[in-house]
Amino acid sequence: DSGVTQTPKHLITATGQRVTLRCSPRSGDLSVYWYQQSLDQGLQFLIQYYNGEERAKGNILERFSAQQFPDLHSELNLSSLELGDSALYFCASSVSGLGYTFGSGTRLTVV
Amino acid sequence: SQKIEQNSEALNIQEGKTATLTCNYTNYSPAYLQWYRQDPGRGPVFLLLIRENEKEKRKERLKVTFDTTLKQSLFHITASQPADSATYLCAHPRGTTNFGNEKLTFGTGTRLTIIP
Repeated sequence: DSGVTQTPKHLITATGQRVTLRCSPRSGDLSVYWYQQSLDQGLQFLIQYYNGEERAKGNILERFSAQQFPDLHSELNLSSLELGDSALYFCASSVSGLGYTFGSGTRLTVV
Repeated sequence: SQKIEQNSEALNIQEGKTATLTCNYTNYSPAYLQWYRQDPGRGPVFLLLIRENEKEKRKERLKVTFDTTLKQSLFHITASQPADSATYLCAHPRGTTNFGNEKLTFGTGTRLTIIP
């Protein structure tokens, strides 16, 4: 157990639907990062939150959004899902940036 | 744009030998590089960080070098074991570096297989 908790582990949904992925960072870590990993793209940075505020954005689609709550857990919302959104979604946290701790990921399958 | 490349998609090494993985970066001079291990279906696990002013860093059977002239980092596993089989990723920070919460860009990884 890395200390970063992601739920659910697996998600199967239809095209056009909306899903929410949840992440609880390691205790004491203020930063949360979301990454998408597909077979042909590798790990792609989506978005970063630090202590409740958006800190940086990567290649995140407009259909995707995220937020970090006062208790520091974060949610990634994916809407109008397409087949190409099928991927592993990872959350990571860090306290100093010197080494991320990743969760075990959510495997999203869009059918 | 900043690019980070791991120039071997897959590498097969005999058990007991040293495995060497390469990470090259362009258009950028990162203040540090990080190496991660990822097993299938699992999240990456942080292994080592090496700063630009460090030539070499060691941790047990792992060794990382950082050559800022060649813009390259090498990752070595000595006395390799089948349990070392995994995908290894290098990563560097994007944007400004203040050693606090900067986002990382990852290479596509090298899939290492240690053959018994």
